[in-house]
Order: sequence, then C-alpha cells, then structure tokens
Amino acid sequence: AQSVAQPEDQVNVAEGNPLTVKCTYSVSGNPYLFWYVQYPNRGLQFLLKYITGDNLVKGSYGFEAEFNKSQTSFHLKKPSALVSDSALYFCAVRDSFKAAGNKLTFGGGTRVLVKP
Amino acid sequence: DAGVTQSPTHLIKTRGQQVTLRCSPKSGHDTVSWYQQALGQGPQFIFQYYEEEERQRGNFPDRFSGHQFPNYSSELNVNALLLGDSALYLCASNTPGMVDEQFFGPGTRLTVL
Repeated sequence: AQSVAQPEDQVNVAEGNPLTVKCTYSVSGNPYLFWYVQYPNRGLQFLLKYITGDNLVKGSYGFEAEFNKSQTSFHLKKPSALVSDSALYFCAVRDSFKAAGNKLTFGGGTRVLVKP
Repeated sequence: DAGVTQSPTHLIKTRGQQVTLRCSPKSGHDTVSWYQQALGQGPQFIFQYYEEEERQRGNFPDRFSGHQFPNYSSELNVNALLLGDSALYLCASNTPGMVDEQFFGPGTRLTVL
C-alpha cells in the first residue's frame, strides 16, 4: 500500500521569506513523487515531479523539491514566497512497481498563507 | 490546446438519485482517472480507464461505475446517492507512461441533499 503524509495543515509565511511544505511517503517499490497546487474552486495544477536522477527537482513558478530517500521525504520549497502563492498544496505518490498501476495517492494537503 | 474539461460545473441531487459526470481528456491523452475530493481532504482515487476498460480501482463501492468512449472521453456514474457522496469530483488524464504526470480538470461539485 502507498501513503502520503503532510504533517502541517497550514503554513504561514511572510512575503519574500522562504517557504517549505513538508511531505513524507510510503511505497513498496521506488516512488514517483508529485506536487500539485489547488486554488479556490479550481482543479489541481501540476508543479513538479521526481522520477529518478537528481534529488533536487525544479518546477513551475520558482518551486523546487528535494527528494530524500533515507528520510522518505519530498519537501516543497520556494526561496522567496509571493502573496499569489497562497493556495492549497498536495503531495502525491505513485509506486513504480508496475502492478501497482499509475494511480496517485495524495496527502491531506497543506494550506499556505503568504502575508504581505 | 484544450486541457481537461468536465461537465457540469455544479450539480445538486437528492439522496437515492443517480448522477452522471462527464470528462474530456487533454488532447493527446488516452488514459482517464477519476478522483473524489471531500471538503478539506486530499483527492481519493476512484478508478482509471484505458482502452475503454477499467484498469484499476480504488476503495469505492459498486455504486460508482464508469465508462470510456472511443474518443477517450469518460463518464462517472454514481447510483443510490448518499449524503457522503457530496464532494468535488476530479477527472485527470495522461498518456499511458507511468512517469507522466496527470493533468486535472476543474472538477464537478456534487451536492447531495
């Protein structure tokens, strides 16, 4: 079984400060990891993914994420947050084991509030 | 290039009724997945369709069924609606490759009274 934990329901940060959203995962095989963002009354927008290779992945809108296999973590980061980054962020995992299919398992989400 | 589209945007039903939600995948995509997102929670996988067959299913009862058409569009049907079925239903599409990200539609907000 695969699972994702996002330990913080909400993260508050001042504009211009660094932003970190935490995610840990559990899968049987090697993980494929994804971050999505959701704005009010909207679907999910893809930010970035880790499949293999460099542990630091760069994505859309200045976001990046660091894969840490030993800690089974995939934290989302942004060096300088903007007010427009305020949204709901979801971490998701897919098991690379083919029989697991390619369904995504999501965490519960972290609400980010960036204050001016 | 149109992304994933879903209809209707909002829907209000009463307990016991049946509902059909529709999804058109992003151009070039042939795999469609459906997710249920209850208020304040992350999306939960319902099922996935590829080549007009259900390929994978999450932990949802048989009241939830689907279909995929030759043009890759898909329907989600829910019978005997319960109050707990109230949620945002998200459709996502991708190419069959396992490394590919899924692209999500805006969702259908279902309210069961």
